[in-house]
Amino acid sequence: GDSVTQMEGPVTLSEEAFLTINCTYTATGYPSLFWYVQYPGEGLQLLLKATKADDKGSNKGFEATYRKETTSFHLEKGSVQVSDSAVYFCALSVISNFGNEKLTFGTGTRLTIIP
Amino acid sequence: KAGVTQTPRYLIKTRGQQVTLSCSPISGHRSVSWYQQTPGQGLQFLFEYFSETQRNKGNFPGRFSGRQFSNSRSEMNVSTLELGDSALYLCASSLTFDRAASGYTFGSGTRLTVV
Repeated sequence: GDSVTQMEGPVTLSEEAFLTINCTYTATGYPSLFWYVQYPGEGLQLLLKATKADDKGSNKGFEATYRKETTSFHLEKGSVQVSDSAVYFCALSVISNFGNEKLTFGTGTRLTIIP
Repeated sequence: KAGVTQTPRYLIKTRGQQVTLSCSPISGHRSVSWYQQTPGQGLQFLFEYFSETQRNKGNFPGRFSGRQFSNSRSEMNVSTLELGDSALYLCASSLTFDRAASGYTFGSGTRLTVV
């Protein structure tokens, strides 16, 4: 079945450090890939997405490139801020032969940025 | 435009009781999905509704059920509550056939505690 493997956390960085959160996937079809962010006490917010190979999603200084050859979608940011502290989820969706679709999530990576 | 609205935000129930959670999608969104989030199992897909029909279902027991109304609002019901049902229940709405482009929009969730 479809699955997402995400970098184990927690991750603690100093402000202005470079961030990478690794994400690899297994899918039977051609998935769309997403990064969601969850702030304390809140639901999930879409951070960025990519729908086909070599697409680059970007938002708020975060970037991720859909790499079909390595089945990866790593999240990066050049200079993190304290406000980036949250839990980050990598996810994929694939449309089945029956037209069904659902999000499959990784386990989440808790990121803490220290001033 | 208004986001996805979930009510109530917090709920405390006793084992054996039943509970109903509500989700109002973004105006114009006809698809509603439900997810359960727990520290142990992460985010797991419960079911999806479109035009009042269940289109997809996750691996949850029959105690978990849902429905969707003609105005796209959805409810999920859990009967005979167990302690393990304590979780954050998230609802997501999407524009059918446009999910790869727009992704899913999540509500803030209902935090259910079973005592």
